[in-house]
Amino acid sequence: ESVVTQSPGTVSLSPGERATLSCRASQSLPSTYVAWYQQKPGQAPRLLVAGTSSRATGIPDRFSGSGSGTDFTLTISRLEPEDFAVYYCQQYGRSSWTFGPGTKVEIK
Amino acid sequence: QVQLVESGGGVVQPGRSLRLSCAASGFTFSHYGMHWVRQAPGKGLEWVAGISYLGSEEYYADSVEGRFVISRDNSRNTLSLQMDGLRPEDTARYSCVKVMTMGPFASPFDSWGQGALVTVSS
Repeated sequence: ESVVTQSPGTVSLSPGERATLSCRASQSLPSTYVAWYQQKPGQAPRLLVAGTSSRATGIPDRFSGSGSGTDFTLTISRLEPEDFAVYYCQQYGRSSWTFGPGTKVEIK
Repeated sequence: QVQLVESGGGVVQPGRSLRLSCAASGFTFSHYGMHWVRQAPGKGLEWVAGISYLGSEEYYADSVEGRFVISRDNSRNTLSLQMDGLRPEDTARYSCVKVMTMGPFASPFDSWGQGALVTVSS
C-alpha cells in the first residue's frame, strides 16, 4: 500500500500571499493520479483538483495542481480569506485511494 | 442535487459489530463507484473501503481488511458497511462518498455525506 506524505504540516500566511503545498507518494504506481481536497472545520471535504492538474467544477483558477511521478504540488496563487483551511492530497487508482495527513493553511 | 445520508452510527463495545447504511439520491446510483471514508476526532481523512458501480469489485484498507465488508443495493440506492470485530481505533465519523466519474473505478471523490459517528468503547 502506497504511503502519501504532505509538507509542511502547517503553514502561516497572509491573505494575498502565495501558498505552495507539497505531496509525495512512496511509490510511482502506474495508472494512478493525485487529487486535492479542501476541508474547513465542521464541513465535508471539497474536491479541488483531480487527475493531478484538472480543477473540479466551480473551483477558482487561483488553485492549480502540478507534478508527476512521486512529487506533486497544489499552488494557491493569492490567498483569499476563505482559503484558510486544511488541504489533503490523495493518490488514487484502480484499487487504492490513499490520503496524505494534510496541510493546515492558517492566517499569519 | 446529490444527497448522501448515513445512518447506523452509535456507541459499541470492542469486539462487537455495527452496520452503517447510506441512502443516496440526486444521481443515478448504479452508475457510480462508492466508498466509505472515516475521520477520527481531530485527525485526518482515512479511506476505508470502496465498491464498483455494479458491486463486482471491492477494495479495503489494510486496517479494516477481513473485518469490514462493503456492499450496495442498486435497486434501493443504498450503500452499506458491515463492521465486525470493532476496535477502539475504529472510532471515527464514517462518511459515504461518491466518485466523480461514471464507470471507471479510478476516480476521486466529488460528493460526501455528513457522516455517522461510531464510537468503540467499553
